[in-house]
Amino acid sequence: QKEVEQNSGPLSVPEGAIASLNCTYSDRGSQSFFWYRQYSGKSPELIMFIYSNGDKEDGRFTAQLNKASQYVSLLIRDSQPSDSATYLCAVNHDYKLSFGAGTTVTVRA
Amino acid sequence: DAGVIQSPRHEVTEMGQEVTLRCKPISGHDYLFWYRQTMMRGLELLIYFNNNVPIDDSGMPEDRFSAKMPNASFSTLKIQPSEPRDSAVYFCASSLRGQKITDTQYFGPGTRLTVL
Repeated sequence: QKEVEQNSGPLSVPEGAIASLNCTYSDRGSQSFFWYRQYSGKSPELIMFIYSNGDKEDGRFTAQLNKASQYVSLLIRDSQPSDSATYLCAVNHDYKLSFGAGTTVTVRA
Repeated sequence: DAGVIQSPRHEVTEMGQEVTLRCKPISGHDYLFWYRQTMMRGLELLIYFNNNVPIDDSGMPEDRFSAKMPNASFSTLKIQPSEPRDSAVYFCASSLRGQKITDTQYFGPGTRLTVL
């Protein structure tokens, strides 16, 4: 079992819709959780992090964390073509990040 | 502000040759990470340093790989001898230790390595 699992996609959504990305992790000792966005041929860039159960909103992005279920999600509201990218879920344990394989999102204009 | 700087951006070499990748972290950051990204294995942590000292190298695939950080502004990842299966994008990232569990790692642009 991989440490961090994500739906590989691709996930295709129309412009203006909500994109929902899911991530599960195996290490119950994980302390914090990150969502990175990676455009093709570019480096990962941080979108947001979360470490407490519940929701955290930042602009059009909402991260949700449920530690009991070992589940993290990212919602992208009002999706734009510029959101088309691969989204990487990363889990922090003792300062080491473990990354999922990523979910590729395509926003259709 | 300058971000993480990596060189070269692209490297093409032949099997058996030595390859050296370079990284300059963000000024003031005390953690430096080396990652490798491939389609098959995704993004993997190879090694990380704290205050120039290697802390965890458990991700280094084999003895052909070595990494150094002689000072706070420079790190190298060396592969000797290189093999075709080493072809990947190698990223360097740095962070500043603060609250620890939410410290953000900032990635460099990466070095795309092709071993023929």
